[in-house]
Amino acid sequence: EAGVAQSPRYKIIEKRQSVAFWCNPISGHATLYWYQQILGQGPKLLIQFQNNGVVDDSQLPKDRFSAERLKGVDSTLKIQPAKLEDSAVYLCASSYEMGGYTFGSGTRLTVV
Amino acid sequence: DQQVKQNSPSLSVQEGRISILNCDYTNSMFDYFLWYKKYPAEGPTFLISISSIKDKNEDGRFTVFLNKSAKHLSLHIVPSQPGDSAVYFCAASARDYGGSQGNLIFGKGTKLSVKP
Repeated sequence: EAGVAQSPRYKIIEKRQSVAFWCNPISGHATLYWYQQILGQGPKLLIQFQNNGVVDDSQLPKDRFSAERLKGVDSTLKIQPAKLEDSAVYLCASSYEMGGYTFGSGTRLTVV
Repeated sequence: DQQVKQNSPSLSVQEGRISILNCDYTNSMFDYFLWYKKYPAEGPTFLISISSIKDKNEDGRFTVFLNKSAKHLSLHIVPSQPGDSAVYFCAASARDYGGSQGNLIFGKGTKLSVKP
């Protein structure tokens, strides 16, 4: 089966600019996650979708981060405006059932 | 407050020997534990998991041990191979009040280097 697709792979922006990341999960996976991985740390959950509804966004900085999942398939994560501390790898994952997380390759964001 | 701790940022092992990666957790409600492996420029890939009703799970060269009383789990790789060189993340989750498995909480990872 095809994996979780993410784009772009890399992005460099200046602080206060906006950026968007895209994720296409594995076909049939109802649950989609966005994780933020800062260098030297483990992935931290930002938001979880079940189909096109939000299940958990308690750790999403909602003043600057937003995410949507159109028609329960693809998802986009947006940061507006970006801060230096947003520099991280943004990982998208999808799952059919618990324990079956499949991660994408991630988008490495550098904010300068 | 870190609920999942991997206190060793790095580990170096000779090829053919055993690699032991350790993980401690603080939340007694965690009942499902996983290990992920991550190569540079790739996303984490699932390696092995264990439920709290077990104390050991084995898959080929990989074995995970769970000590619930100590809130400790470990991943053993025997024999270690150079291709095992990667960052290994420990992750844990707990069931919510509705009985659904919660989200994964990750440790900071341990970088394993297996030398030929």
